[in-house]
Amino acid sequence: EAGVAQSPRYKIIEKRQSVAFWCNPISGHATLYWYQQILGQGPKLLIQFQNNGVVDDSQLPKDRFSAERLKGVDSTLKIQPAKLEDSAVYLCASSFRQAGSTEAFFGQGTRLTVV
Amino acid sequence: AQSVTQLGSHVSVSEGALVLLRCNYSSSVPPYLFWYVQYPNQGLQLLLKYTTGATLVKGINGFEAEFKKSETSFHLTKPSAHMSDAAEYFCAVSDQGTDKLIFGTGTRLQVFP
Repeated sequence: EAGVAQSPRYKIIEKRQSVAFWCNPISGHATLYWYQQILGQGPKLLIQFQNNGVVDDSQLPKDRFSAERLKGVDSTLKIQPAKLEDSAVYLCASSFRQAGSTEAFFGQGTRLTVV
Repeated sequence: AQSVTQLGSHVSVSEGALVLLRCNYSSSVPPYLFWYVQYPNQGLQLLLKYTTGATLVKGINGFEAEFKKSETSFHLTKPSAHMSDAAEYFCAVSDQGTDKLIFGTGTRLQVFP
């Protein structure tokens, strides 16, 4: 079974530029998450999709971050304009709700450096 | 809101020694609980999970955790540490209703020869 795919693996941009990350979840997984992991911290949930609908985006800085999941499969996360404090690893995860449990599978992440 | 607290951002043990990583959760209803491991430059990998049933959960790589409702804890243990266990470990809690997955701040485990 193929895992969660993310691209690119690394990205370096200047502040005020824009950037986009792509995620392809595991086939059949209805739930998709985007997390931001700043160095030395735990992953922080940015947005959670159920199919192509947003379940939770309370932690997403909507003035600069946007995300979409067209057709309930692939997802993109965009930052425009980027700030220095956006430097982090952006993790995508997906899950398939089974009776009694939900297990999230993670991609390898995209490491963003804003200079 | 649900949350998890991991006590100790760094834990160091000798190879062969007991590993104990602490996690306490805050939830008004029994949650789902998880331990994930993250190796350098990698995503997170599930070690084990507690949903319902047996409170002692066994995971991969010899790790296990015990759900203690009275203490609101879900500590991770391994009887004998191996050099390859050196990594970052995250405790996480999930809301049964929304599947929202919330992580702790992590504990970095160092294993010395």
